Amino acid sequence: DTGVSQNPRHKITKRGQNVTFRCDPISEHNRLYWYRQTLGQGPEFLTYFQNEAQLEKSRLLSDRFSAERPKGSFSTLEIQRTEQGDSAMYLCASSLENSGNTIYFGEGSWLTVV
Amino acid sequence: SQKIEQNSEALNIQEGKTATLTCNYTNYSPAYLQWYRQDPGRGPVFLLLIRENEKEKRKERLKVTFDTTLKQSLFHITASQPADSATYLCALEGFTGGFKTIFGAGTRLFVKA
Repeated sequence: DTGVSQNPRHKITKRGQNVTFRCDPISEHNRLYWYRQTLGQGPEFLTYFQNEAQLEKSRLLSDRFSAERPKGSFSTLEIQRTEQGDSAMYLCASSLENSGNTIYFGEGSWLTVV
Repeated sequence: SQKIEQNSEALNIQEGKTATLTCNYTNYSPAYLQWYRQDPGRGPVFLLLIRENEKEKRKERLKVTFDTTLKQSLFHITASQPADSATYLCALEGFTGGFKTIFGAGTRLFVKA
């Protein structure tokens, strides 16, 4: 069990550029989540997958955000035409399929849009 | 909409005392309630889970209570230590148009030696 892995850990990009984050969940976990966190706030739900199916996407997520989990293993979160308001830590987490299970978080990917 | 409220002010206590953190929620009927610890710049780490039909759960120096009538959970750390200093997040899992876990903003705890 190597834990949830996220890459890159830090990304600085110019406004208007596209960025992509990758998440490798714990291998036997079916569920994969993306959250966004800004300073002084808790993790804000963005979307989650069960295997390769994206089951829910937050209404807060604009069309510039897209997430995929093509083979039910790793996932990518892409942000197109980044804006300064996108600056945050993007957290990936995974859990077993049944509800009531612990969510295991990665260390996050920090995005700074300049 | 669903709302989770945690003390926004930091909690400062002396080493050895019991820290008590509060989580209140509205417009929500969670099936599970969880507490996580988060250190600066790190991802949250799971501490305890309590189900809606449970009143109390303990783990070493940690105790969680869950009152679904008051819509409140209390999180206690007994015999607190400076190493307990961190942000503690309350999280609820239930059906909100999809089954997912949502988090409060967290309470920062400082334990002074």
